[in-house]
Amino acid sequence: GIQVEQSPPDLILQEGANSTLRCNFSDSVNNLQWFHQNPWGQLINLFYIPSGTKQNGRLSATTVATERYSLLYISSSQTTDSGVYFCAKLGGGKLIFGQGTELSVKP
Amino acid sequence: SQTIHQWPATLVQPVGSPLSLECTVEGTSNPNLYWYRQAAGRGLQLLFYSVGIGQISSEVPQNLSASRPQDRQFILSSKKLLLSDSGFYLCAWSVGELYEQYFGPGTRLTVT
Repeated sequence: GIQVEQSPPDLILQEGANSTLRCNFSDSVNNLQWFHQNPWGQLINLFYIPSGTKQNGRLSATTVATERYSLLYISSSQTTDSGVYFCAKLGGGKLIFGQGTELSVKP
Repeated sequence: SQTIHQWPATLVQPVGSPLSLECTVEGTSNPNLYWYRQAAGRGLQLLFYSVGIGQISSEVPQNLSASRPQDRQFILSSKKLLLSDSGFYLCAWSVGELYEQYFGPGTRLTVT
């Protein structure tokens, strides 16, 4: 079946540091999304990025569909960036989620 | 703009009791609707999805069922809850199968 793998599983940063989260998938992609799950459980849409690069403020994402991976960049991290980051790929009409990267940003 | 609502926000139910969770979407017509569950840990799993009124597809055989009585209403039910039904239930919508999905605030269910 379609697999989505995220790395690292956990990440601790000092406020102001930059980070890169990776998402590998086992099959071709026609829909890839990045989410941030806040401490209250809400899944916030960050990017819809089946290919190419997008930027939104301090966050940017790149998907290289031919090599089956996507990267999420967080620059100048803030404590409010803490939480779990998920990538999810559409397969068979449903989103298949990775296991997430839990980010903790320390003041 | 589109908005998705879920209620209740939290629920504590005894084993064997019934369940009804509701999800409604505003600001769009004929959305695709989805129920996901996030168990302890992180993984999210699709439970049901619907492309229209009365059309439900089940992804995982289980103790739960779903219904779509109206275009923008999606209900998750159980006749008798099990301990293993505990988790965080999220409803989502999209304009079509290949398009971006948006999630509601979720319902945290604890079965005791």
